[in-house]
Amino acid sequence: EAGVTQSPTHLIKTRGQQATLRCSPISGHTSVYWYQQALGLGLQFLLWYDEGEERNRGNFPPRFSGRQFPNYSSELNVNALELEDSALYLCASRMFGQRSGYGYTFGSGTRLTVV
Amino acid sequence: DQQVKQNSPSLSVQEGRISILNCDYTNSMFDYFLWYKKYPAEGPTFLISISSIKDKNEDGRFTVFLNKSAKHLSLHIVPSQPGDSAVYFCAASARMAAGNKLTFGGGTRVLVKP
Repeated sequence: EAGVTQSPTHLIKTRGQQATLRCSPISGHTSVYWYQQALGLGLQFLLWYDEGEERNRGNFPPRFSGRQFPNYSSELNVNALELEDSALYLCASRMFGQRSGYGYTFGSGTRLTVV
Repeated sequence: DQQVKQNSPSLSVQEGRISILNCDYTNSMFDYFLWYKKYPAEGPTFLISISSIKDKNEDGRFTVFLNKSAKHLSLHIVPSQPGDSAVYFCAASARMAAGNKLTFGGGTRVLVKP
């Protein structure tokens, strides 16, 4: 079974540009979560998508947005990039309705560097 | 407001000895707790979990203890092995939270010396 795949692995952007990160969930998983791990910090919840809808978002500005496609893959867009957006962005998927947190399966992440 | 805290950013332990990782939380609505392990350039992988109705859960070398009154949990790894060297994240979720999103601590980097 293929795991959660994220692309690209690494991304270098200039301040003010836009970045697009992609995530393909495990087959059968309908929920996709995005987390940011900035250097030295824990994982901060960004967004949750399920059945094509944004269900919840963390404490991040509106320039962080995304969408979920009919095949449940997801895209995270970061507009007007700032230096502090440099971080590892992790995507996780799970089947909606699973009670226990171990239903999360994480991808390997996209390392975004803003210069 | 950091609802889940891991106050020790790093831990060094000798192979064969016990590793004890600690985690504190502030949100009394949290009712499910998990530990994840993360190697560099990989995503976190689930290690062990515990429900708030229990105070201990054991899986092989890994045991998680929960003290609800103190809002504290700990992970014990016995015996520690070099392959356990990684960053460990404590996470918590609340039944009533939409989507059961996980709130993570800042992580503890464990180094097991041979």
